Amino acid sequence: AQSVAQPEDQVNVAEGNPLTVKCTYSVSGNPYLFWYVQYPNRGLQFLLKYITGDNLVKGSYGFEAEFNKSQTSFHLKKPSALVSDSALYFCAVRDGNTNAGKSTFGDGTTLTVKP
Amino acid sequence: SQTIHQWPATLVQPVGSPLSLECTVEGTSNPNLYWYRQAAGRGLQLLFYSVGIGQISSEVPQNLSASRPQDRQFILSSKKLLLSDSGFYLCAWTRLAGATDTQYFGPGTRLTVL
Repeated sequence: AQSVAQPEDQVNVAEGNPLTVKCTYSVSGNPYLFWYVQYPNRGLQFLLKYITGDNLVKGSYGFEAEFNKSQTSFHLKKPSALVSDSALYFCAVRDGNTNAGKSTFGDGTTLTVKP
Repeated sequence: SQTIHQWPATLVQPVGSPLSLECTVEGTSNPNLYWYRQAAGRGLQLLFYSVGIGQISSEVPQNLSASRPQDRQFILSSKKLLLSDSGFYLCAWTRLAGATDTQYFGPGTRLTVL
């Protein structure tokens, strides 16, 4: 079985400050991890993914995420937040050993960046 | 490049009426296709996925069904809608290659059942 948790429903940061959106996961095999962003009434947009290799993954719009195997975490980060980053963020996990292509999504974290 | 379309964008239907939502993918062959429902702007619930024409797997027993009549077409249906079917329906695809591939989402259909 695979699962993912986003422990914070809401994250508030001031523009220009660093942001972190947390994600922890559980899989029995190799974890494949993904971050998506959703703007109101829109589909999900892919930001970045970790499959293998360097634990620090860089993605779209200046976002990055760090894979930490010992803590089973994949937190999303950005050094300097923009008001336009305000959106709903989803972490997703896929077990590399089974269920190819079937992802489990977290419940989402609403990021609000205030001017 | 690949694109994914969903229609209609919004739909308001009475309880007990039928439903048909369509999803098509362009620019790829043999995609894995998925239907998700998102309630109240939060988490995604996987409803159906398909690895090929006529091959449908149901994740959650419910009032809905799915069909894949063509390689790049995925249809979500219901014979009689319930109030609880309201939500934001998202179609997604991946290449058939497997677990490492990114899932790409369509723009979604907002369904309101009254």
